[in-house]
Order: sequence, then structure tokens, then C-alpha cells
Amino acid sequence: AQSVSQHNHHVILSEAASLELGCNYSYGGTVNLFWYVQYPGQHLQLLLKYFSGDPLVKGIKGFEAEFIKSKFSFNLRKPSVQWSDTAEYFCAVSPSGRDDKIIFGKGTRLHILP
Amino acid sequence: DAGITQSPRHKVTETGTPVTLRCHQTENHRYMYWYRQDPGHGLRLIHYSYGVKDTDKGEVSDGYSVSRSKTEDFLLTLESATSSQTSVYFCATPAPEQYFGPGTRLTVT
Repeated sequence: AQSVSQHNHHVILSEAASLELGCNYSYGGTVNLFWYVQYPGQHLQLLLKYFSGDPLVKGIKGFEAEFIKSKFSFNLRKPSVQWSDTAEYFCAVSPSGRDDKIIFGKGTRLHILP
Repeated sequence: DAGITQSPRHKVTETGTPVTLRCHQTENHRYMYWYRQDPGHGLRLIHYSYGVKDTDKGEVSDGYSVSRSKTEDFLLTLESATSSQTSVYFCATPAPEQYFGPGTRLTVT
């Protein structure tokens, strides 16, 4: 069955530190990949997406993610975090062409110390 | 935000009462989804719709029903609310990348 695993449930960093949040999925076919962010008290917002092409995807607010097909991974990165990046981050996967089958990871809560 | 609104935004209800949550979209999207969000569980799909009168179950559909009589509205009904259904409910559309509504915080006492 399709699944998404986010390795870190809670991450605490200081401002200006580099960030990498792990995401692995299990599915044998072609997939669409997403990262969402949820700021405190708000709804989920799309941070970036990968459908095909360049495996290094750039999103909003300086975030990027790299799709490594051989590792079934789609890790989220940011070179220098800010206090305003404090939020919960969700990785999501859907098989290409199966719009009804998007699965979310359980989320990683990121806390940035000022 | 894909023009999604949800109503009500907050609701407190008693165990055993029926509750209906509404999702309204203005972009004429075919797909619409209902999720619940709980700490430690992330988002879990309750039901989704792939067209008017076309719906299907998600991962946690027990105790919930849905209806979609027109493209813009997708209703989620808790026939007899239980305390385990206390949650934040999000509507989303379309597919494959989803945009979420503002959420409904439901408390069942």
C-alpha cells in the first residue's frame, strides 16, 4: 500500500541554521510529490510540488526539495531558516494519474528559536 | 486559495446530534476532498468526490457521509456525532495538487 514517512516529528533549530526534513514514500510507480506548510492556526498551503523533469524543485520562501527516485525520497531543504518558518510541514504523495490517491505524512513540527 | 470557503468555522455540539459541515468552491473543480486533522495523525482522508453525485470513501469514513448535489458544494455529515470526531476538518480541491479551505474546528462534548 502507498505510504509516506516523515522521519522527524519535531525539529528545533536556531535562526540561520540549515534545514533538511526527510520524506520517504513507498510506491512502485510514477508519483507526484508535494510539500505543504501549516503555520500556527492556519490551513495547509502548498510549498512546492514535483510532477516531472528537474528533480530539484524550488518553492516559495526559499524552500527547495530534491526528488531522488532510487531512494524514494523527497527531502525538503532551506539553507538558512527564519523565525517565521516555525510551522508544521507535511509531505504528500499521489500516484501519477490517480488524483483520488493523495497520501499525507504525519507531519514535522518545526520550531525556530529567535 | 482556490476560492474555498467552509462553514461553520467553529462548532460545539453534543454527542448524538447530527452535524453538517459545508465546503464551497468557486473554481468549478471536479475533485473535492474532506480531511480531518488530529495531532500525531496528520491529515486523513474521510471522503472525496470526483463529480456531482460521485463520491467515494477515504481512509477514515466510518461515521461520516457526504453529498454533492452541485459542483460548488460538498457537504460532510456526521449522522450522530461522537467525542472521537472532535477534530479540525479541512476541505480541499482540486487534484493532483490540493488547496485547502480555512478549516472547521468541531468539538463534540
